[in-house]
Amino acid sequence: QVVLTQSPSASASLGASVKLTCTLSSGHSSYAIAWHQQQPEKGPRYLMKLNSDGSHSKGDGIPDRFSGSSSGAERYLTISSLQSEDEADYYCQTWGTGIKVFGGGTKLTVL
Amino acid sequence: EVQLLESGGGLIQPGGSLRLSCAASGFTFSFYAMTWVRQAPGKGLEWVSGISGSGGNTYYADSVKGRFTISRDNSKNTLYLQMNSLRAEDTAIYYCAKDSQYCSDGSCYSGWSDPWGQGTLVTVSS
Repeated sequence: QVVLTQSPSASASLGASVKLTCTLSSGHSSYAIAWHQQQPEKGPRYLMKLNSDGSHSKGDGIPDRFSGSSSGAERYLTISSLQSEDEADYYCQTWGTGIKVFGGGTKLTVL
Repeated sequence: EVQLLESGGGLIQPGGSLRLSCAASGFTFSFYAMTWVRQAPGKGLEWVSGISGSGGNTYYADSVKGRFTISRDNSKNTLYLQMNSLRAEDTAIYYCAKDSQYCSDGSCYSGWSDPWGQGTLVTVSS
């Protein structure tokens, strides 16, 4: 079964950019993923679907500051011009027939 | 606008039962697979269960298989999660989510979760 690995934490300064990583387990490098944001005390919010070729489609209302890219088994979420409201947990997700798999999440701190 | 509203959470003793509901609106409910995901206090997201649009196919995480039952009433636009033999480790916020649909190479599939409900808290404790 596919496993998604994320670093537990990341930090960057207000106005800067940050790149979060989600790594697919061996043999699953062709999988698409989705990125979700969970702000404190809120439910998750879908950000984008990201394909293995780096093409991505964002959810409704997601700012242009959020973008995705891919390299091999790695899937990236880049947030530019960081704002205070970007401080949140970020989860990657993939799926199979009837099932869903989540990464452990990355807690992003905006300094 | 798509909306999902969970209800039915609460405090329950170990070994007890609880039924969660998720009322859906803003889309043709029967066309979409649906998912339950939970989040234990201070932890990450854990997939719990999924169900096809017709209700004919159901899927469960090993941690809940045999204890939880997912179902849906398409006439009421409502998703359910019947939880039996509850344990302390089932304590979590439970979210329902609509599955996306996408097509590739002439076939269509259910994919990522979008959108999510606001969640309902289940606490299993004596």
